[in-house]
Amino acid sequence: DAGVIQSPRHEVTEMGQEVTLRCKPISGHDYLFWYRQTMMRGLELLIYFNNNVPIDDSGMPEDRFSAKMPNASFSTLKIQPSEPRDSAVYFCASSHARGGGTEAFFGQGTRLTVV
Amino acid sequence: AQRVTQPEKLLSVFKGAPVELKCNYSYSGSPELFWYVQYSRQRLQLLLRHISRESIKGFTADLNKGETSFHLKKPFAQEEDSAMYYCALSGKYGGSQGNLIFGKGTKLSVKP
Repeated sequence: DAGVIQSPRHEVTEMGQEVTLRCKPISGHDYLFWYRQTMMRGLELLIYFNNNVPIDDSGMPEDRFSAKMPNASFSTLKIQPSEPRDSAVYFCASSHARGGGTEAFFGQGTRLTVV
Repeated sequence: AQRVTQPEKLLSVFKGAPVELKCNYSYSGSPELFWYVQYSRQRLQLLLRHISRESIKGFTADLNKGETSFHLKKPFAQEEDSAMYYCALSGKYGGSQGNLIFGKGTKLSVKP
């Protein structure tokens, strides 16, 4: 398995535009997480899914952010409209629930710059 | 509420010196604790987990439930240990594994 795959690796967009980030989790993993990483706030959990169902989206900053997981092998994080303060690195991670000490595997991240 | 606190944003030591990266957590239950590491230009990866009670790359971490701490230690730091270190907590939700919460991270810089 190639691991968690995110696309694009880099995205530069203008304020007000819609941005869609994509994630392909590791096959067989039933948990998927979206994180945002900034210098000021570190790694923040935005939302996570279990078996394609959103479990907790309390970390989503505002209504401009939305996430979907239409099937077990694909998830999107959409920002509409984007703002400069959304500039950050967005990570997707997946894991498989089992007894104790489950490891989350991270993608390489999408560096988003909103100008 | 679940929370992970890493009080130091930056820790700078000399090669060969002992290292301790602090982590405290808040969780009403029995959490699973982890340390993740992010080397320059690499993806975030698991370093160790409290359940395994293992030593990875010379690092160890002991869960202290009384102090709600999970500090990461290494007796002799190496230059290649320079990286960003994140403490993480996995809680429970509805009886099964739940979210994975991270601290803000500590940047370790090991000088020659």
